Amino acid sequence: DAGITQSPRYKITETGRQVTLMCHQTWSHSYMFWYRQDLGHGLRLIYYSAAADITDKGEVPDGYVVSRSKTENFPLTLESATRSQTSVYFCASSEGGPPYEQYFGPGTRLTVT
Amino acid sequence: TQLLEQSPQFLSIQEGENLTVYCNSSSVFSSLQWYRQEPGEGPVLLVTVVTGGEVKKLKRLTFQFGDARKDSSLHITAAQPGDTGLYLCAGAMITGNQFYFGTGTSLTVIP
Repeated sequence: DAGITQSPRYKITETGRQVTLMCHQTWSHSYMFWYRQDLGHGLRLIYYSAAADITDKGEVPDGYVVSRSKTENFPLTLESATRSQTSVYFCASSEGGPPYEQYFGPGTRLTVT
Repeated sequence: TQLLEQSPQFLSIQEGENLTVYCNSSSVFSSLQWYRQEPGEGPVLLVTVVTGGEVKKLKRLTFQFGDARKDSSLHITAAQPGDTGLYLCAGAMITGNQFYFGTGTSLTVIP
């Protein structure tokens, strides 16, 4: 019973490189979310998805791309990484819509040098 | 500017003391949630409140949703070291599908 997993757990990349963070959930939850957590800003929503092939922007979407071809996977791609994207990234899933009771993955710590 | 402001930002208390954490906004939310996060882990949902004025209890934790659905509070009675962590409020806006987290309250309970 894996629940929700993220990979890799730690990643160091260089400015300008493309990097993809993976998120996989085994509950068949409809909704999935990507957040970044930074000191002083808390958790901020990047993108979310209500179902396969349906995605929408959150509070801070610039510089990120998502896709959801299968219900269980929700990868997040940084097309050209910048130092300001150094952060801890969390994926979450929710069985239904509002109030979006979310279950979080363990996070990916990304460092852009 | 954060949509949900929490206070205090940091709190250090002795075991056995009581405490209250506040989550405030100028916007109306359809629901508010409280999560607890420990270092190196993702947040874990504690409770969801959906009705203005609603009070929910979870053992020594009491959660309240404001009558106007703009604020919430978390009260812990007789805090224990195991309560140590980052407490986050979060909510779904009443319009649209946006979801916001609060700024967080870091609680340390000293044995």
